[in-house]
Amino acid sequence: DAKTTQPPSMDCAEGRAANLPCNHSTISGNEYVYWYRQIHSQGPQYIIHGLKNNETNEMASLIITEDRKSSTLILPHATLRDTAVYYCIVRPRGGSNYKLTFGKGTLLTVNP
Amino acid sequence: NAGVTQTPKFQVLKTGQSMTLQCAQDMNHEYMSWYRQDPGMGLRLIHYSVGAGITDQGEVPNGYNVSRSTTEDFPLRLLSAAPSQTSVYFCASSPGGTSGLEQYFGPGTRLTVT
Repeated sequence: DAKTTQPPSMDCAEGRAANLPCNHSTISGNEYVYWYRQIHSQGPQYIIHGLKNNETNEMASLIITEDRKSSTLILPHATLRDTAVYYCIVRPRGGSNYKLTFGKGTLLTVNP
Repeated sequence: NAGVTQTPKFQVLKTGQSMTLQCAQDMNHEYMSWYRQDPGMGLRLIHYSVGAGITDQGEVPNGYNVSRSTTEDFPLRLLSAAPSQTSVYFCASSPGGTSGLEQYFGPGTRLTVT
């Protein structure tokens, strides 16, 4: 699986958009970008995934650059409950589904 | 849907005791897996299953057994608990296939072995 690079921490004001970057410059053509988050003491939570088109769901938007070497997860109106560690994971399509390799992720702190 | 449920939420064992951590999902997912998470570390895969009757080892399988007799349930058995198995255990399920790679996690079981 391609490696990812994320900033260790970010702050965001409540109600503002949180933009979390991820670099995956070695991504290959069949690899998807996945985002998960882990709120303190809880199980990881799937957020969104995409291949090359931008994606949006009820939780967030995922913007993938045209060359697919980086992406940004956008939480449009961050709340205090969005404080969590966010993980960007790159995985092949139909690959080792049973294993997720979480790096250190980005600790997002949403401030009142 | 309840999603992925795990029981118990907390457990304290003495060294040498055995127990079973329960995991169930009601989403008819093919794939299920067990992870452990130690303080300051990422998730490590213990065992996984790609369908009923099929299980395989992950990164850290020693000291644990699994079975998958039904699609819904995937229990994790600790054969003889050791302090090194003190951890938070997460169960996850996934639809499987090329379009169902996202995993859904349970709330975790916090295990302490004294």
